[in-house]
Order: sequence, then C-alpha cells, then structure tokens
Amino acid sequence: GQNIDQPTEMTATEGAIVQINCTYQTSGFNGLFWYQQHAGEAPTFLSYNVLDGLEEKGRFSSFLSRSKGYSYLLLKELQMKDSASYLCAVTDSNYQLIWGAGTKLIIKP
Amino acid sequence: GAVVSQHPSRVICKSGTSVKIECRSLDFQATTMFWYRQFPKQSLMLMATSNEGSKATYEQGVEKDKFLINHASLTLSTLTVTSAHPEDSSFYICSARGPGDADTQYFGPGTRLTVL
Repeated sequence: GQNIDQPTEMTATEGAIVQINCTYQTSGFNGLFWYQQHAGEAPTFLSYNVLDGLEEKGRFSSFLSRSKGYSYLLLKELQMKDSASYLCAVTDSNYQLIWGAGTKLIIKP
Repeated sequence: GAVVSQHPSRVICKSGTSVKIECRSLDFQATTMFWYRQFPKQSLMLMATSNEGSKATYEQGVEKDKFLINHASLTLSTLTVTSAHPEDSSFYICSARGPGDADTQYFGPGTRLTVL
C-alpha cells in the first residue's frame, strides 16, 4: 500500500533549528509537497520537490532523496509563529495526493 | 489511521454540465469536512466547511449556488460543481476533521476536474 510517515509531534526552542523528516512508499512519484497549517486555517504551501537535492527558501529548506524515499523540511531561526502542523504530501503516478498525518511543531521560548 | 477517500479521482466533462465529487471518511465519523481547491504549486484554498446535517459555510468569493455541498451523513460529503466552465478546472481536495484531536484534518487524495 501507499504510506507516508512523519513524526507526530516535535518540540523546539525559539531561535533554534529543527528538521522534520518524511519517508514515503508510493506507487510512482511525481513530486513532494510540504505545507504548513495553523490550527483552524487552510494549509499554506511551503515547498515542492521533484528532483533530488536541497531547495532553500528563506528560513525554510526542503530536501529530497528519491532513491531513499525520504524528504525533510528544515526550519532555521525558529520563531513562535512557526508553531503549527507541517504536512508532507506525495503525488503518485496517477497524480493523486498521498498525505502524511502531519507533524505538530511546538516552539518554546 | 484515519482514511479519507474521494471519488472520482479524475473527471473530464463538457462545459455546462454538472459534476459530483464524493468525499468519504472510511474508518471514522466526521461531523466536519472541508472542501479545498488547489492550483499548481499553490496553497490550498478553502472553499467551504461542511457540517453534517446543516448548511455548509462558504468562504468569501465562493458561489454557493455553483458549488453545492451536501453532508448528509457522518461519513459522506459531496461537492457538486454545477454548470461547470473551463475556469472551474482544478484539483479539488476534501479533508475531514479527525476523531479526537479537533485540530487534525485528514486529507483526501484529490479529484482532478477538467472542463472542456
């Protein structure tokens, strides 16, 4: 079956760096998304990776290894507003989205 | 884990016809479901919030007479795109508020609608 795994919850300190991992097993691969979702709000697009490597966008970076079925989202210089759920989603061979359950990130002062 | 399915996964229709998309929570009851629209590499745009047994709450700018939502049971919500036009072509995604944690949403795989 198709499966995406990411940690349920992580805690980090303001100003620090945190890495949220995502591993996937899907029928085909046509890209991987990371979304940020604050409670009660719609998910916000963060990144899209389809080729191996690191994509940097300000304080956020996303890495993909297709051969390992692995991605991570790296958040630097953490701010309190980064407290949210982070969703990993993979587009499979049929261009269907396979969603991870999300990682709840708690930032402490 | 909580699973949400959508049917159909993709649909192509002629302009002027209506299309119904189903969203089901397979192993849990969902009193609240959400309908989103996604454009390529963009954030999900919330269209409406669907509550079982009551009228859906639509976001500003979403035509409720065009996008009909019915949440008739605790496991099924439907979105009907009426008189579809090419500009309605998009990826429609539903989610269901999970059991237990009210902040957690479980997302469906999406339905790609193409209107010719």
